[in-house]
Amino acid sequence: GENVEQHPSTLSVQEGDSAVIKCTYSDSASNYFPWYKQELGKRPQLIIDIRSNVGEKKDQRIAVTLNKTAKHFSLHITETQPEDSAVYFCAALSGYALNFGKGTSLLVTP
Amino acid sequence: NAGVTQTPKFQVLKTGQSMTLQCAQDMNHNSMYWYRQDPGMGLRLIYYSASEGTTDKGEVPNGYNVSRLNKREFSLRLESAAPSQTSVYFCASSEIGTGGTYGYTFGSGTRLTVV
Repeated sequence: GENVEQHPSTLSVQEGDSAVIKCTYSDSASNYFPWYKQELGKRPQLIIDIRSNVGEKKDQRIAVTLNKTAKHFSLHITETQPEDSAVYFCAALSGYALNFGKGTSLLVTP
Repeated sequence: NAGVTQTPKFQVLKTGQSMTLQCAQDMNHNSMYWYRQDPGMGLRLIYYSASEGTTDKGEVPNGYNVSRLNKREFSLRLESAAPSQTSVYFCASSEIGTGGTYGYTFGSGTRLTVV
């Protein structure tokens, strides 16, 4: 089945800096790659997604890039703020279900 | 519009007891899912239902059964709970089965402890 690897597992940045989280996937048929943010004790929330016919997508301070040849995709958060502190999960669609990475705990310090 | 509703929110079971986690969605989505979340392990797929009347195993199905009761409801049953099933369980739905919006909508989760 699909295997999604996510790095790093923890990331600490200063407020205003950028944060980058990287994921790789194994199923070459995967065509949809979402990112979720989960705050402590809450449900995961979709923050951005990208389909395989697009190389990059932006939404204000967040962006996702996709390299289908290399089977990797990345989340970029610019001008980080303390409220960006959370666990972020990447995922890849395989068939009818998403396979998730193990998560990155992002801490933004003031 | 409630989205995805899960019950109960918290549950403590003794080893060997059984219980059913309930999930209902009101977004007319075809596809529904059950995941478990453990520290450092991400979200792992237990079972899914691509459409009403179908169910399939995910990555970690052992010890669980599911029922897609109708288009709205997808339940997860633990027949004989074990401490290894202590986890947070999330139900989700999407339109993946119909080629619509692929993003999941998650329920608020069930925190299950088996002692």
